Order: sequence, then C-alpha cells, then structure tokens
Amino acid sequence: GAVVSQHPSRVICKSGTSVKIECRSLDFQATTMFWYRQFPKKSLMLMATSNEGSKATYEQGVEKDKFLINHASLTLSTLTVTSAHPEDSSFYICSAAGTGFYGYTFGSGTRLTVV
Amino acid sequence: AQSVTQLDSQVPVFEEAPVELRCNYSSSVSVYLFWYVQYPNQGLQLLLKYLSGSTLVKGINGFEAEFNKSQTSFHLRKPSVHISDTAEYFCAVTLPGDGNKLVFGAGTILRVKS
Repeated sequence: GAVVSQHPSRVICKSGTSVKIECRSLDFQATTMFWYRQFPKKSLMLMATSNEGSKATYEQGVEKDKFLINHASLTLSTLTVTSAHPEDSSFYICSAAGTGFYGYTFGSGTRLTVV
Repeated sequence: AQSVTQLDSQVPVFEEAPVELRCNYSSSVSVYLFWYVQYPNQGLQLLLKYLSGSTLVKGINGFEAEFNKSQTSFHLRKPSVHISDTAEYFCAVTLPGDGNKLVFGAGTILRVKS
C-alpha cells in the first residue's frame, strides 16, 4: 500500500533557529501534499496545500514566511519552520494524495519542541 | 462549507463489548467520508472510506461504518473491541474536486478497559 515517510519524528531546537521537516511518498507519486498542525488533545488543523512545482496555498491565519513549504518533486515536500519560537512547538503531520484520488496517506508526524 | 461533528469526545468501553463512534457532517452536496485512527505520537492511519457505492463500508481491524445520507451520518462501529483499539479516532470529510482538502472532526478517544 501507499507509504509516506516523515522525518524527523522528534526534534528539539533553540528559539530563533529554523527546522526542516521532510515528507516523502515512497511508492507513489504525490501530486498534492498537505501539512497539518495538531495541538495537544485537539484535532488536525490544515496549514497549507502544496502541488508539485507550484507555490503552496496557505490556510487563513497561517504565516507564509514562518512556515515555508516546498514541493519540488512528486515524492518530496518539506516544511521549514523559520525563526522558531516556543509557541511553534506542536505536532506536525503531512499527508499525500496521488492522481485519481482514492484517499490520503499520512506521515507518522514530527514532534517539534522549541526551547 | 462542510463541517464534521463527532458527538462524543471520549467513549469508555469494556473489552469485547461493541462500540459505536458517532460522526455527523454538514454538506449540501455529495462528499467523501473517512475514518482515521491515531495512536499516541503517531500519524493517522486510514480505517475506512466511503467514496460511492454500498453504504456499508468495511475497514481494517474489524471496523465498519455506514453512510446515511438522510441523516448525514457516518458512524463507526466494531462488534467486539480489544485493548489495542484504545486510540483516538477522527472522522473526516472532503468535497470531490475541492482540492482534496480534508476537514476533520474534533476526534473521539476510545478507551477500552479490561
């Protein structure tokens, strides 16, 4: 079945630094990738949608300059949290969808802690 | 815009008992419906989905769900739960052609007790 690999699973960084999270589709071409943020005991909040080769579409209230999304190939999308602050600490999850939509495959998530 | 309501934030149940997790959605047009399970500190795993066809959908781990268009519901059921089913369950909906964006419910934590 479809597999999405997300790395790292956990990262701790200092305030003010940047962190990159990778999301790879291992056995299918992901024409669309989605990035979500999940707060403790809360549901998933869609941050942005990215299509290969295009600029990401951000949801209202999500800072484009803070959360940089790149979808340079059909198998890789990255989320970079720039100048991270403690309030950016969260669980970030990616998901991918291929052509001829049959559903989504989620990555295993990244626990970001900014100290 | 569509929305998803999961009526129960937590459902405690004894092992081997049946369970139903409720999900209602609001949309004036046809939708695709999903149930996902999330274990602590992990991503989401697809349990089952309804795209079209038979309204009774069978998924993994013995779960099933029934799409009821008149009641705009997509309740998840399992006839006999195991301790290992303890997790959080999310119902989600998307509009066909709406950029494939998923809208999630708030989640229901299923706690299976021995």
